[in-house]
Amino acid sequence: EPEVTQTPSHQVTQMGQEVILRCVPISNHLYFYWYRQILGQKVEFLVSFYNNEISEKSEIFDDQFSVERPDGSNFTLKIRSTKLEDSAMYFCASGGLAANTGELFFGEGSRLTVL
Amino acid sequence: AQRVTQPEKLLSVFKGAPVELKCNYSYSGSPELFWYVQYSRQRLQLLLRHISRESIKGFTADLNKGETSFHLKKPFAQEEDSAMYYCALSWQGGSEKLVFGKGTKLTVNP
Repeated sequence: EPEVTQTPSHQVTQMGQEVILRCVPISNHLYFYWYRQILGQKVEFLVSFYNNEISEKSEIFDDQFSVERPDGSNFTLKIRSTKLEDSAMYFCASGGLAANTGELFFGEGSRLTVL
Repeated sequence: AQRVTQPEKLLSVFKGAPVELKCNYSYSGSPELFWYVQYSRQRLQLLLRHISRESIKGFTADLNKGETSFHLKKPFAQEEDSAMYYCALSWQGGSEKLVFGKGTKLTVNP
């Protein structure tokens, strides 16, 4: 069964450093997402991506964040200058074989620790 | 704004007991409601959605628009049901994103 894969599973970085989290969505999906979950808190929407552009982003997704789908398979989240509060589990998800099926398929997550 | 509330952070029951995980939502239009589950060391996965009216692993959930609720129920809990359960909402025109509740950790004791 196809799965969403994410790398790295865990990354430790120093405050102010750039981080790139990578995701390979399920190949025939149309919508791609990044969510994050700060320890002990809920899963929060960051950004959705459709037709090679951002379709929606949350207030969390400020100028420090960017997403890219550089080669038709990978979907990356870049945090330009990490802050301590960026420490969280970041989940990639894909979905949308047809109009609004509503089911998203999640990766296992990338744990980011900012020191 | 769309919001999902799961009032119980933790829920503990004994094997064989009924279980109900509460979910209330806030959305003025026609929402689509889902329950996602995350078993220990596994990824988030869809458990069920209201539009399919199906029962998965013995769980059911009925959308009550009057009470804006979508509670998850199972008549006889099993130990393997222990997991984090997230209620989630999406809507037409919402780029298919999901808004999640904070989750309820269900522990089924032997």
